[in-house]
Amino acid sequence: EVQLVETGGGLVQPGGSLRLSCAASGFNYNPFWMSWVRQAPGKGLEWVANIAQDGSEKYYVDSVKGRFTISRDNAKNSLYLQMNSLRAEDTAVYYCARENWSCQDYWGQGTLVTVSS
Amino acid sequence: QSALTQPPSVSGSPGQSVTISCTGTSSDIGSYNRVSWYQQPPGTAPKVMIYGVSNRPSGVPDRFSGSKSGNTASLTISGLQAEDEADYYCSSYTSSKIVIFGGGTKLTVL
Repeated sequence: EVQLVETGGGLVQPGGSLRLSCAASGFNYNPFWMSWVRQAPGKGLEWVANIAQDGSEKYYVDSVKGRFTISRDNAKNSLYLQMNSLRAEDTAVYYCARENWSCQDYWGQGTLVTVSS
Repeated sequence: QSALTQPPSVSGSPGQSVTISCTGTSSDIGSYNRVSWYQQPPGTAPKVMIYGVSNRPSGVPDRFSGSKSGNTASLTISGLQAEDEADYYCSSYTSSKIVIFGGGTKLTVL
């Protein structure tokens, strides 16, 4: 059974940093692109970033470019999102997702990030 | 990188069919067959219902179908059931090599 478990969310002040992690299990992790998708409270889904199988390609939505960094450790079947210079508008549930031909075919349960003073 | 356009809400009675539209541009839906649809009941993570415009993952009822014409994709749910009530989102790959989602459509089963 495919499982994606996000950790690392919490309350952070504006301008602060947070690192999210996603532990993958139940499938061969290495051949898949992986992505982060977020959902602000009461709002729709927003794709944030993705990363190629070997980490050689990374893409970001404009609103997080220069502030967020996606990375992965294939030896640990793990995905990460380093979030710096956080803003109130980054408050959201952050989902880790397996990406298959631009489709997020499996999702984690999400971790809540709240940016507030 | 504007979001795809979906109607905010649709509704139908049990047994009826409903169609949710998703309008993009020639830089996303119009150029790629990488359109997906997701179902999200309240308080849960999204679940993929359609990928590659019209393909159903294993376990998704054949009442769900997808199509595309030009810059617009559509999700049709036939034989509506109470359990179909949820938010639905479309997504597409884009020429900027990112994925964009629609704003979401709330389906109400009357």
